[in-house]
Amino acid sequence: QVQLVQSGAEVKKPGSSVKVSCKASGGDFSSYAISWVRQAPGQGLEWMGGIIPMFGTANYAQHFQGRVSITTDESTRTAYMEVTSLRFEDTAVYYCARSKTMDFAVADMGYWGQGTLVTVSS
Amino acid sequence: DIQMTQSPSSLSASVGDRVTITCQASQDIRNSLNWYQQKPGKAPKLLIYDAFNLETGVPSRFSGSGSGTDFTFTISSLQPEDIATYYCQQYDNVPPVTFGQGTRLEIK
Repeated sequence: QVQLVQSGAEVKKPGSSVKVSCKASGGDFSSYAISWVRQAPGQGLEWMGGIIPMFGTANYAQHFQGRVSITTDESTRTAYMEVTSLRFEDTAVYYCARSKTMDFAVADMGYWGQGTLVTVSS
Repeated sequence: DIQMTQSPSSLSASVGDRVTITCQASQDIRNSLNWYQQKPGKAPKLLIYDAFNLETGVPSRFSGSGSGTDFTFTISSLQPEDIATYYCQQYDNVPPVTFGQGTRLEIK
């Protein structure tokens, strides 16, 4: 059974960076897309970007292009998402999610991490 | 980017009611649509993939239909444990993946 375990909550100052990890256990890590999804307090789901570990190249939503970096380490089965130049409005729960029904494509998000709360506060 | 318009934004229904949520894509997405359930404080859960396929372990009272631009999610007989927010999500022509705005479902 696939499980995704994310790193713990963070409190950051505006202008700083945060890097969230997502460690996968079970299943095939390399062939299935990992996506990162943001949810601001009381708001909906927003896809930030995704990566297929075997290919190593991430795709991003335009809103996050240039400020977000998604990477993976196949040796440790871990995905990372870094946000730079943090703003107050980046306060949110950040989820990693893995495709389940289709390999080599960003399609469904059948497996989810528990979420990581990032609070940006001065 | 493909925009997903989900309606209604909130819905109140009684136990046993049939509940329907719709999602409209701004362009043809074939059947590249998934539905998720999110309970407060929890990660979303995949219920329906590829417009109409029921995810393993999901009760059969949940169903999905549609293709192209218009999609429907149905709960045939609402149960108390179905109280949640539901999202549609398209994955045609990515990036980006886009979600609908969500439908908050409450018990009347």
